Amino acid sequence: GAVVSQHPSWVICKSGTSVKIECRSLDFQATTMFWYRQFPKQSLMLMATSNEGSKATYEQGVEKDKFLINHASLTLSTLTVTSAHPEDSSFYICSALQAYSNQPQHFGDGTRLSIL
Amino acid sequence: QKEVEQNSGPLSVPEGAIASLNCTYSDRGSQSFFWYRQYSGKSPELIMSIYSNGDKEDGRFTAQLNKASQYVSLLIRDSQPSDSATYLCAVRVQKDSSYKLIFGSGTRLLVRP
Repeated sequence: GAVVSQHPSWVICKSGTSVKIECRSLDFQATTMFWYRQFPKQSLMLMATSNEGSKATYEQGVEKDKFLINHASLTLSTLTVTSAHPEDSSFYICSALQAYSNQPQHFGDGTRLSIL
Repeated sequence: QKEVEQNSGPLSVPEGAIASLNCTYSDRGSQSFFWYRQYSGKSPELIMSIYSNGDKEDGRFTAQLNKASQYVSLLIRDSQPSDSATYLCAVRVQKDSSYKLIFGSGTRLLVRP
């Protein structure tokens, strides 16, 4: 089946640090990748959608200058949390879609980000 | 009104029973529906996808879709303690020329041994 690899799985860092999270589709080409954030006991909230080679589309309320998304190839998307603060601590999950179709989205294992 | 609604639970069933999870959605144009299972601290895992009205069975799982009622359900037969998790209903909607997967808040299922 389709495999999405997300790295790192766990990050602890000081306030003000920038953190980069990678998301790779291992055995398929992902035309679209999605980034979600999940706070404890809440559902997944879509942050942004990125298509290979174009700018990401951010959901309302998500700061595009704080959450930088790069989707440079059909197998790799990155999310950089710039100047992270404690309120950015959350579970970040990427998801990849194989084609513009009814195909299900496949999720990475997630990155737990803790900002001290 | 939320785009995808689920009862948060917890839904508690004894081992071996049938667990019934329900979901309603607001966008009548939606064509793709998914059930994901999420264990605590883990990312969602796809269980079922359904696109047409009626039932779709896969092992112990049956997804049911009724587009007229804007209703999706998931039945888990012979529930096991390992089925205890949060079940997320997801609906793919089209917005601004792109497709997005909108999640419900999830229903927590507890299967008692």
